[in-house]
Amino acid sequence: GQQLNQSPQSMFIQEGEDVSMNCTSSSIFNTWLWYKQDPGEGPVLLIALYKAGELTSNGRLTAQFGTTRKDSFLNISASIPSDVGIYFCAGQEAQGGSEKLVFGKGTKLTVNP
Amino acid sequence: DAGVIQSPRHEVTEMGQEVTLRCKPISGHNSLFWYRQTMMRGLELLIYFNNNVPIDDSGMPEDRFSAKMPNASFSTLKIQPSEPRDSAVYFCASSPITGYSPAFFGQGTRLTVV
Repeated sequence: GQQLNQSPQSMFIQEGEDVSMNCTSSSIFNTWLWYKQDPGEGPVLLIALYKAGELTSNGRLTAQFGTTRKDSFLNISASIPSDVGIYFCAGQEAQGGSEKLVFGKGTKLTVNP
Repeated sequence: DAGVIQSPRHEVTEMGQEVTLRCKPISGHNSLFWYRQTMMRGLELLIYFNNNVPIDDSGMPEDRFSAKMPNASFSTLKIQPSEPRDSAVYFCASSPITGYSPAFFGQGTRLTVV
């Protein structure tokens, strides 16, 4: 099945630093989504991207849909302690009109105050 | 607005018992997804429904797993008989329109099979 490669697996940063994580796929996607999961909770949607090249911001978060349609990145600026959690990328394949979301393995973010 | 509601939040059962997980999607959403999350395999799609009809169940691990969606506001995931390796967090998610729309997740059911 389709696999998404998400990196890095984990990050340890100081409060105030910027963070960048990315996701790549072996096939073309029509949609890229970024989720955050807190312990004991379900993933919460942060940003949705629908067009190649699209750059979208949500507060301190910025995500881009790669021009090849095979990758996406998420940046967090000026990190704060509540940014701690696991960030997942997810994508919907272009072929077959499938609504299936394929997820990356996640990036675990730790922010030291 | 109420989000996706799952029950129970936690379930502990003995190997061999039947387990039923429940999900109420967001009202008006046409698609419903069941995911399983483990440390080793991450988030895996088990099955998804569109307008109450199962579209793709290729992720269901084996015949012990079954899912139903009798109406637009309710779905179940059943494991019978349960095994320790089924221990995981099971998430239900729904999305508002057919095709290329983000999914909204419930809080999950943490299943432990002993």
